[in-house]
Parts: sequence; C-alpha cells; structure tokens
Amino acid sequence: GAGVSQSPSNKVTEKGKDVELRCDPISGHTALYWYRQRLGQGLEFLIYFQGNSAPDKSGLPSDRFSAERTGESVSTLTIQRTQQEDSAVYLCASSLGWEGYEQYFGPGTRLTVT
Amino acid sequence: GNSVTQMEGPVTLSEEAFLTINCTYTATGYPSLFWYVQYPGEGLQLLLKATKADDKGSNKGFEATYRKETTSFHLEKGSVQVSDSAVYFCALSDLSTNAGKSTFGDGTTLTVKP
Repeated sequence: GAGVSQSPSNKVTEKGKDVELRCDPISGHTALYWYRQRLGQGLEFLIYFQGNSAPDKSGLPSDRFSAERTGESVSTLTIQRTQQEDSAVYLCASSLGWEGYEQYFGPGTRLTVT
Repeated sequence: GNSVTQMEGPVTLSEEAFLTINCTYTATGYPSLFWYVQYPGEGLQLLLKATKADDKGSNKGFEATYRKETTSFHLEKGSVQVSDSAVYFCALSDLSTNAGKSTFGDGTTLTVKP
C-alpha cells in the first residue's frame, strides 16, 4: 500500500511569510508525528497526534508553529512569520498506535527561508 | 527527561569490516528501543527494534541487544558492505512517561569504502 506522503517536497519562502506543510499518513494509522531535522543533526520532536486525544504539542519551538489533524487522516503543519532558523527538513511519520509500534516516515519537506 | 546519546561520527570502514555504533539512553520508565536508517536520498526507515530488556533485534545482518544494566543498545554488524553506507539513528519510546513520543539520537554517518 501507499506509504506516508508529504507535500511539497521543497519549499523556498521569504522571511516573514507563512507556510503550510502537508502530511498524508498511512491509512489506518492512528498516530501521527512531526519532526524537524536540521542539516547534520538528529530529529527534533515537534508534535504528536494519537486518535482523538489532545495532541502532544510539547516540542513546538514557538507559538509561530501550529499543527492540525482531521480525525485520523491528513495533518497540516503551519509556520507563521518564518525565520531563517526555521530552515530544515520537516518529517512526518505515522504508526498503528503508540505502544512500541514502529514509525513509518515520509520523504520530508525541505524548507528554505531566505 | 529522556535522552539518547550516540557515538559521534562520521565512521568510515572498509568493506567486510566489523561495525559497532554505540548508543546509550536515559529513561525513567521502560522504553522500547529502535534503530532507524536513512540511506542517501531516502527517508528514515526502521532497521530493528527491541521492546524489553535482553531482547535482541536483528535485520539485514545488523543486531542490537537491549541491555538494561548498562542502558545501552549498541548496533553491530559483522561484515559491512558499501550498500550499508547511511545515517543510523538510535531512538527510544518511553510509554510510561511520554505516551508515544520518541526521542532520537543525533545520528551517526557510516561510509563503507570498497
């Protein structure tokens, strides 16, 4: 079946503009995660959705970052008033649940803020 | 809080050499442990996992044993190939304290030369 898909694959934006990144998880996966990966660094957790529970937003770096998820489907990560330090690859992953299940990652969106 | 510390890279080996990438963790609960791999130009994918102490995860000739006494999950392979060149990430998921949120190490870049 189809894997996790993300769009766009690349996004170049000017400082101060808003951007929306989209993630389509694997059908039937109740858990969805967003991570940020800066060049040469590890994955930085941003936010986690599990079913209809309140999302875990503890990793969002500032109030310029927000994310939504419609039920157990598509999620959108929004970054408002982008800054140069927001430049990174944004990765989305989904899993069947949260109890020790592996995460399936999308290809990522490479965001460049000029 | 939880943390994962990986052996710093990059690591360069000749084909058929023995590989060890060290990973130690800090967690307050009983985490599941994972190794993910990111091949050049591809997304992250699960390599292997272990969900309880003394479990050994294995895949594609790689192995890692969950050692609770040393809080370690070192990745090993007896004979590496050029195709193993990739970035390897150690990760944990501590269900008792983080309800699904995973913590990743910074990644170790492996280059295997023919």
